[in-house]
Amino acid sequence: SAVISQKPSRDICQRGTSLTIQCQVDSQVTMMFWYRQQPGQSLTLIATANQGSEATYESGFVIDKFPISRPNLTFSTLTVSNMSPEDSSIYLCSVAPTGRSGNTIYFGEGSWLTVV
Amino acid sequence: AQTVTQSQPEMSVQEAETVTLSCTYDTSESDYYLFWYKQPPSRQMILVIRQEAYKQQNATENRFSVNFQKAAKSFSLKISDSQLGDAAMYFCAYSHGNKLVFGAGTILRVKS
Repeated sequence: SAVISQKPSRDICQRGTSLTIQCQVDSQVTMMFWYRQQPGQSLTLIATANQGSEATYESGFVIDKFPISRPNLTFSTLTVSNMSPEDSSIYLCSVAPTGRSGNTIYFGEGSWLTVV
Repeated sequence: AQTVTQSQPEMSVQEAETVTLSCTYDTSESDYYLFWYKQPPSRQMILVIRQEAYKQQNATENRFSVNFQKAAKSFSLKISDSQLGDAAMYFCAYSHGNKLVFGAGTILRVKS
């Protein structure tokens, strides 16, 4: 298993500002992902964070809005840029310990952002 | 594209009784994995059970079991002897290549 810590756990942000969320894993993992959960809705994959290269974004998500870094095998950041109230969501970091298919995917506790 | 459908927005069960949550999915892949996750009010996503599509045997984890019907693309979750702590949002998820596609979720309420 993997223990995942996210910071901040919760924040209230001003419209037009940017916020960076950190994700730290207690062991080296092959794959890291970022998901968004809008209020009352399900989880949607934003991107796969690739170590040492640009993240791979899903349809509807772009690097300018959600820049992602992954400098090593245990750490990643997601920035939510130029925030608007529509960005109010829970953002969740998740990991797949190995590169094989069928991993159990572990989640962090989420970062609950409210944009005012 | 893969899709996951949970047709029950909300379910209720009496404590100690059994409840079944429904899930169907659509995919053209033959090798994939299915999961049920639980999300309590704390928002932490907790893995309940995992099923490998190439295995015919239904997965079980204590009071939790699945009914996996591959041909029908159905993956229901049965919770036996329901407890108050089972109250949560339950998400069905499909995985191919470790990317998860989630259903809309089912809120499970447990009555004492």
